[in-house]
Amino acid sequence: EVQLVESGGGLVQPGGSLRLSCAASEFSVNSHYMNWVRQAPGKGLEWVSVLYRGGNTYYAGSVKGRFTISRDISKNTLYLQMNSLRPEDTATYYCARGGYNNGSPTYGMDVWGQGTAVTVSS
Amino acid sequence: DTQMTQSPSSVSASVGDSVTITCRASQVINNLLAWYQQKPGKAPNLLIYTASSLQSGVPSRFSGSGSGTDFTLTITNLQPEDFATYYCQQANSFPWEFGQGTKVEMK
Repeated sequence: EVQLVESGGGLVQPGGSLRLSCAASEFSVNSHYMNWVRQAPGKGLEWVSVLYRGGNTYYAGSVKGRFTISRDISKNTLYLQMNSLRPEDTATYYCARGGYNNGSPTYGMDVWGQGTAVTVSS
Repeated sequence: DTQMTQSPSSVSASVGDSVTITCRASQVINNLLAWYQQKPGKAPNLLIYTASSLQSGVPSRFSGSGSGTDFTLTITNLQPEDFATYYCQQANSFPWEFGQGTKVEMK
């Protein structure tokens, strides 16, 4: 079954760091563009970052310079390194696969993990 | 940045009704628009991509339309499992943006 499983969330103090992981099953993380999307408690969805197959990365302005998206092909895992965390980074973080149709990207995220919760608080 | 504005923020409907949700982009997004459904405590689920293409496995009562800056998601013959929150998302230019969401509630 095609699946994404996130881990690594937890409670961290402001200014601290955390690394989220997203393990993929039944497909390769380097065969799709891969995303992180977050959702603050009771709020809407916020796109965070994307890593393209070729290695290009893009970030939301709110996390640029603090967060880094990466992947380990040998472990078939996507990561999000989060530094200088702020209370407003508190959210459930989802990884999501970018879809393809007949070899072309659909620009829709077609497989999502269950999410991992991050709380930034002292 | 391209801002995405959804309306209404909530809608009350009954089983069997048709519901239309609108998403307006602050600039042309070349039909690179997706629609998602999210139920409480669950991850979002892709319904529509490139404005009008139905994702595999999604019931045909869901349809998307629009171009340029104005897009709609229509749910016909609303079913009990369709009561949820719906989001649009543009992927034309970075940063990608979601709309603020539309909650479809039971009347």
